[in-house]
Amino acid sequence: VQLVQSGTEVKKPGSSVKVSCKASGGTFTSYGLSWLRQAPGQGLEWMGGVIPLFGTANYAQKFQGRLTITADEPTSTAYMELSSLRSEDTAMYYCARPGTDGAPGLEYWGQGTLVTVSS
Amino acid sequence: EIVLTQSPGTLSLSPGERATLSCRASQSVNSRYLAWYQQKPGQAPRLLIYGASSRPTGIPDRFSGSGSATDFTLTISTLEPEDFAVYYCQHYRSPYIFGQGTKLEIK
Repeated sequence: VQLVQSGTEVKKPGSSVKVSCKASGGTFTSYGLSWLRQAPGQGLEWMGGVIPLFGTANYAQKFQGRLTITADEPTSTAYMELSSLRSEDTAMYYCARPGTDGAPGLEYWGQGTLVTVSS
Repeated sequence: EIVLTQSPGTLSLSPGERATLSCRASQSVNSRYLAWYQQKPGQAPRLLIYGASSRPTGIPDRFSGSGSATDFTLTISTLEPEDFAVYYCQHYRSPYIFGQGTKLEIK
């Protein structure tokens, strides 16, 4: 299983960013795909996730109303869109999912997408 | 909401020594949903342990996990130079909270 994310983004405060995560190998639809972020020098923060089979997403309360996670089965690609960006959203953003045995942990990770929010 | 507190914040050891990292939960968690990750600078995290004590394929057996309820431990039996990194525990249930991390540095 490989997860390949889209490239670096530089955004203005108040704008939106959309990051993609394309999966190859394994079954795309059956496993939840999570989005996480890590601000510079900080720890890991789970933002939300989607189970492509059902198309339903759930979000951490902190991001409710500002975050949209979707999945496109034909292209095995998941998307994370964060709106109303502020400087505090500057971070590395990762997609991740469990292993093919469904063990409860994030075994596969994308390479990360750096999002910088700056005027 | 569950809070995971890791200790120590920084652990200074030498290669060949044994490392013991702690993760304490603010309330009892099902050990099935306790995971540990390793992160090196500039890299994505790597899953080391799931279900408190199980290792994914390819993780060396010097890494072991134990614990239950509110107290969990990651042990590295004999430190290799490549083990110096930051380690996170995670409660793998929504909202998938992480501990703040323990930095394992070379003494």
